[in-house]
Amino acid sequence: DAGVTQSPTHLIKTRGQHVTLRCSPISGHKSVSWYQQVLGQGPQFIFQYYEKEERGRGNFPDRFSARQFPNYSSELNVNALLLGDSALYLCASSLVLGQGYGYTFGSGTRLTVV
Amino acid sequence: QKEVEQDPGPLSVPEGAIVSLNCTYSNSAFQYFMWYRQYSRKGPELLMYTYSSGNKEDGRFTAQVDKSSKYISLFIRDSQPSDSATYLCAMSGSGGGADGLTFGKGTHLIIQP
Repeated sequence: DAGVTQSPTHLIKTRGQHVTLRCSPISGHKSVSWYQQVLGQGPQFIFQYYEKEERGRGNFPDRFSARQFPNYSSELNVNALLLGDSALYLCASSLVLGQGYGYTFGSGTRLTVV
Repeated sequence: QKEVEQDPGPLSVPEGAIVSLNCTYSNSAFQYFMWYRQYSRKGPELLMYTYSSGNKEDGRFTAQVDKSSKYISLFIRDSQPSDSATYLCAMSGSGGGADGLTFGKGTHLIIQP
């Protein structure tokens, strides 16, 4: 059974550009969450989607947006990239809106902004 | 003050030792407490989960939560070199997950063969 898949695995972008990161949840999972993990820090919550609706948002600027598609896959978009956006972006899926114990994380997309 | 405090280490112990990892937190609304293990360049993997206060054991791992002290611990018995990784504590409230998980900084653990 495939786990949470994220693409691309690595990405290099220039300041000011836009980026789209993609996530496919485990089959049957209806909730997808996005996290940003800066080197040496724990993951920070960005968004949670359930049944294609945004159900939670962390303390990130409006440059960050996301959506969930009818097949429950998700995209994270970041506009006007800053050097500080360089991080590992993690997607987690769960069967339902849970309390964290049901989350399965993907291996992440490593974004470098130069 | 950060919501969740965790010593980043590194913590280096000999193989076979008992490892103690811990986190403190300030938000009394946290109800769910988790420990994740993260290997280099991989996503976090859930190790243990506890609801509210109490202990939970799974093989070589024991998780403890003391809500009165706002303190959680993870113990690893008979540590192995393969346990070398970063260990993240994570917490959430009971709001249906809308606030996501709040993670500690992670403790880098090294088990010396």
